[in-house]
Amino acid sequence: DAGVTQSPTHLIKTRGQQVTLRCSPKSGHDTVSWYQQALGQGPQFIFQYYEEEERQRGNFPDRFSGHQFPNYSSELNVNALLLGDSALYLCASSPWDRPLEQYFGPGTRLTVT
Amino acid sequence: GEDVEQSLFLSVREGDSSVINCTYTDSSSTYLYWYKQEPGAGLQLLTYIFSNMDMKQDQRLTVLLNKKDKHLSLRIADTQTGDSAIYFCAESSSNTGKLIFGQGTTLQVKP
Repeated sequence: DAGVTQSPTHLIKTRGQQVTLRCSPKSGHDTVSWYQQALGQGPQFIFQYYEEEERQRGNFPDRFSGHQFPNYSSELNVNALLLGDSALYLCASSPWDRPLEQYFGPGTRLTVT
Repeated sequence: GEDVEQSLFLSVREGDSSVINCTYTDSSSTYLYWYKQEPGAGLQLLTYIFSNMDMKQDQRLTVLLNKKDKHLSLRIADTQTGDSAIYFCAESSSNTGKLIFGQGTTLQVKP
């Protein structure tokens, strides 16, 4: 059984560009959450998707948007990239019957130059 | 507001016990978690505890919760070099599972 998978592993973008990160949840999981982890910090909650809707959002600007597909996979989009968006982006999934158990993927390392 | 604080660094000798501490401010915290992060990797869920419990044991891991002082600890018995990693404490007060993380404690295990 594959765990949470994310793609790509690493990405380098230029200021002002747009980026899309992808996440496939664990089998049997229907809820996906996204976190941003800056270097040397703990992860910060961006938003959570359930039943293809954004259910909860953290303190991130509208440049950060997402989507969940019918197969529960999810995308995180960031527009108008800033240098400060450089971070490890983590996806976590939860099963429908234990929503408080979050299992993380390996992350996508985004570098903005 | 919600805040989780941890000490930044702990160094122990192989075979000793490690105790990593965490404090949180949200009195409505329902679940408290410990995650482990190895270099270049994502977060591994180690264990979690409900706020109506005061202790949970799972093999070499013991979690203690003092709800009155809003203090959580993780004890690792017989610490091994493979336990070297960053350990994150997290809390959730929402039934939707939004996690608030501390800044992480780097555990260094010396042979």
